[in-house]
Amino acid sequence: GAVVSQHPSWVICKSGTSVKIECRSLDFQATTMFWYRQFPKQSLMLMATSNEGSKATYEQGVEKDKFLINHASLTLSTLTVTSAHPEDSSFYICSARAPPGTGVEQYFGPGTRLTVT
Amino acid sequence: QKEVEQNSGPLSVPEGAIASLNCTYSDRGSQSFFWYRQYSGKSPELIMSIYSNGDKEDGRFTAQLNKASQYVSLLIRDSQPSDSATYLCAVNEDSGYALNFGKGTSLLVTP
Repeated sequence: GAVVSQHPSWVICKSGTSVKIECRSLDFQATTMFWYRQFPKQSLMLMATSNEGSKATYEQGVEKDKFLINHASLTLSTLTVTSAHPEDSSFYICSARAPPGTGVEQYFGPGTRLTVT
Repeated sequence: QKEVEQNSGPLSVPEGAIASLNCTYSDRGSQSFFWYRQYSGKSPELIMSIYSNGDKEDGRFTAQLNKASQYVSLLIRDSQPSDSATYLCAVNEDSGYALNFGKGTSLLVTP
C-alpha cells in the first residue's frame, strides 16, 4: 500500500510560537492531501484539503490565517500552526489521496501530537 | 448535509465470535466505500474498500454493500483481542474527492 510519513511525530511548543508539520507521500505522487485534527476520544475532523500548486480549501470554522497549508510539490504538504495556544493541542493527521485514476481512498500518515504549553 | 452514521458503541464481542459493524449514508450518489481501523493514539489504517453491491472478503474481514438501502457493513470473523479498535466508515462523495467519515464504532473483543 501507499506510504505517507509525517514529521515530527510529536512536538511541544510554547504558547505564541509557530509549529510546522510536514506530510510526505513516499512512494506515489499525491495531487491532493488532507489535514485532519482529532481531539481525545473524538472523531476525525477535516480541517482542509490541500491541492498541489493551488490554495488549500478550508472547512468551515477553520481559520486559514492560523493554519497555513502549503502543497508545493507532488509529495509534500506542510501545515503551520501559527501563534499556537493550548487549545490547539491535538493530534494532527494528514492523508494523501491515491494517485489519479487509481482510486479515491486516502492513506494516512502516522500523525503528529502537538502540545502547546 | 451528507452524513455517514455509525453506532458509537462500544460493541463488545467475545474472542472467536463474529463482530458486525454497520454504517449508513445519506448520499445516494456515493460510489466508493471504505473501512478504516484506528487504534487508540494512532492514525487510521485502511482495511477494506468496496465499490459494488454484494460482499467482498479479505481474510477474516467481509465488507457488505447495499446501495439501495444505503448501508455498508463490516464483518470480522474469529474476532481477536487485537481487533479491539475504533472502526471508521468512509464514503466517497459523488461530487468530489473528499471522503466523508463516520464518527466510528468502538469494538472491544474480550478474551
